[in-house]
Amino acid sequence: GENVEQHPSTLSVQEGDSAVIKCTYSDSASNYFPWYKQELGKRPQLIIDIRSNVGEKKDQRIAVTLNKTAKHFSLHITETQPEDSAVYFCAGGGADGLTFGKGTHLIIQP
Amino acid sequence: GAVVSQHPSRVICKSGTSVKIECRSLDFQATTMFWYRQFPKQSLMLMATSNEGSKATYEQGVEKDKFLINHASLTLSTLTVTSAHPEDSSFYICSASHTTGDTQYFGPGTRLTVL
Repeated sequence: GENVEQHPSTLSVQEGDSAVIKCTYSDSASNYFPWYKQELGKRPQLIIDIRSNVGEKKDQRIAVTLNKTAKHFSLHITETQPEDSAVYFCAGGGADGLTFGKGTHLIIQP
Repeated sequence: GAVVSQHPSRVICKSGTSVKIECRSLDFQATTMFWYRQFPKQSLMLMATSNEGSKATYEQGVEKDKFLINHASLTLSTLTVTSAHPEDSSFYICSASHTTGDTQYFGPGTRLTVL
């Protein structure tokens, strides 16, 4: 089955700086890689996703890059704001299901 | 669009009783629904995949007789925790994907506490 590794487990950045979270996956058949943001006690919210036929996708301050050869993908958040503080999960898989990384607790320092 | 509801949001029950949790896709049809369990400060652990009209597929280590899943329609899946014990206390979250898609949309979760 798929195995998704996520780093770092905790990331603290100054407000306004950029944050980068990295994930690797093991199953070359995986073709869908979403990123979810989860605030304490709430549901995971999809913030961006990428499919294996694309190398990069951007939505305002958020971008995701995918390297299929190396089997890794990354989340980039620019100009971080206090409301970006949350736990972020990467996932890999497809229509049959997703395997989630262990999460990154992103802390935005004022 | 892509709204998923879950009921109840919180439940407290006595050890040995059964608890049913409902997951509904409100504005789309979901061929597949997924049930996850999440412990505090941990990731989402997939318990089972539920397809409408067929038996659920359980992940290794998840007891199918303890966690009964029924996916009776394209908008409703239920998870029943049978003979609940304190170690079953957790946050249970469902997700649903469109009939032709792979994106999963999550419900708000159910906090189960077994006394």
